[in-house]
Amino acid sequence: DTAVSQTPKYLVTQMGNDKSIKCEQNLGHDTMYWYKQDSKKFLKIMFSYNNKELIINETVPNRFSPKSPDKAHLNLHINSLELGDSAVYFCASSRALYNEQFFGPGTRLTVL
Amino acid sequence: ILNVEQSPQSLHVQEGDSTNFTCSFPSSNFYALHWYRWETAKSPEALFVMTLNGDEKKKGRISATLNTKEGYSYLYIKGSQPEDSATYLCAFWAGSYQLTFGKGTKLSVIP
Repeated sequence: DTAVSQTPKYLVTQMGNDKSIKCEQNLGHDTMYWYKQDSKKFLKIMFSYNNKELIINETVPNRFSPKSPDKAHLNLHINSLELGDSAVYFCASSRALYNEQFFGPGTRLTVL
Repeated sequence: ILNVEQSPQSLHVQEGDSTNFTCSFPSSNFYALHWYRWETAKSPEALFVMTLNGDEKKKGRISATLNTKEGYSYLYIKGSQPEDSATYLCAFWAGSYQLTFGKGTKLSVIP
């Protein structure tokens, strides 16, 4: 059983499109995160939800919006995709804030 | 943006050698320091969560220490093996839900 899963694994799309990446965790964790691995392979946090409440909202374009329908899911919606959005996006979860995080396999987004 | 620095950026060691690297972070407003191991084509995996000044944690041949007053943590690997080859990330939690990852130390162990 995969603890933190993301779909799709690969996403290729045209500039200007709207797309979503889904994340689910079956660990019973209260906190979930979205990260972007940039072109230099560095991990940067984008958002975090704790008990379905948005608690970390870094400076990302408002074209990116997280949605948490329940504690086990945190989806990432991206509107009007741009070339610079191409990256690997990782989802993660932790039992609570400040606890060790469990990462999903990543979604490689390519914007053409 | 919090300044979290890792050094060295990369290093190569011979199998059997011991090695260590550093994570530096702001000494104020400390909440927690995490270490992660990130193998190529995989996802980061947690090694240690450290919260108290003077903490020392150990997992097999890997250990870590924490000095929150001076703002650094060391990760040690004893008797490096080829399977230790990975990028080692530290992540600094400050109060008010601020989380910053370092850029990592890429370790290559030569058989």
